[in-house]
Amino acid sequence: QVQLQQWGAGLLKPSETLSLTCAVYGGSFSGYSWSWIRQPPGKGLEWIGEINYGGSTNYNPSLKSRVTMSIDTSQNQFSLKLASVTAADTAVYYCARAIDDYSNYYYYMDVWGKGTTVTVSS
Amino acid sequence: SSELTQDPAVSVALGQTVRITCQGDSLRSYYANWYQQKPGQAPVLVIYGKNNRPSGIPDRFSASSSENTVSLTITGAQAEDEADYYCNSRDNSGNVVFGGGTKLIVL
Repeated sequence: QVQLQQWGAGLLKPSETLSLTCAVYGGSFSGYSWSWIRQPPGKGLEWIGEINYGGSTNYNPSLKSRVTMSIDTSQNQFSLKLASVTAADTAVYYCARAIDDYSNYYYYMDVWGKGTTVTVSS
Repeated sequence: SSELTQDPAVSVALGQTVRITCQGDSLRSYYANWYQQKPGQAPVLVIYGKNNRPSGIPDRFSASSSENTVSLTITGAQAEDEADYYCNSRDNSGNVVFGGGTKLIVL
């Protein structure tokens, strides 16, 4: 059974860079899209972006200027960096595996990490 | 528009049927999916594509669609179904979008 294990710093100061990593265990790493999603306290889900096995990325336009995603296929890991954080970036951050079948118009996230709480405070 | 619109809250009596809707222009192109999220937990996929349930999801969960609206139906709602439900899909620009979420209250 595929599991995603994520980690990273949980407390940041304004202007610092958020850095999270997600490792994939128990399943194939290729053939999927790997996403990051966040959820501010008491609010809904917000897609941050995705990266595929080949390293192609697609970012939420509202965050694009600050987001960098990377992938390490040798370690079955992918990472998120979000620069210049502010209090508005305080949220639970999730990594997720996505099935992207664009020829049949399917896109869904079938496996999620447990989430990492990131707080931005001076 | 790349937005998906959901009602903030819906209630249902125990054992009755409830429908949660999601509306958006992107749903004319891409299938929608539904996620269940309980407090303090990660979302769980309950319906994907046209009307597919992942392994382990009870068959009381089903989905239907019409033009730019998709619906998640729970037939015979149980107490454990009380949760937030989110729809999502890709929009016409290739971005991934989520609805604002619907809080389901089981009375």
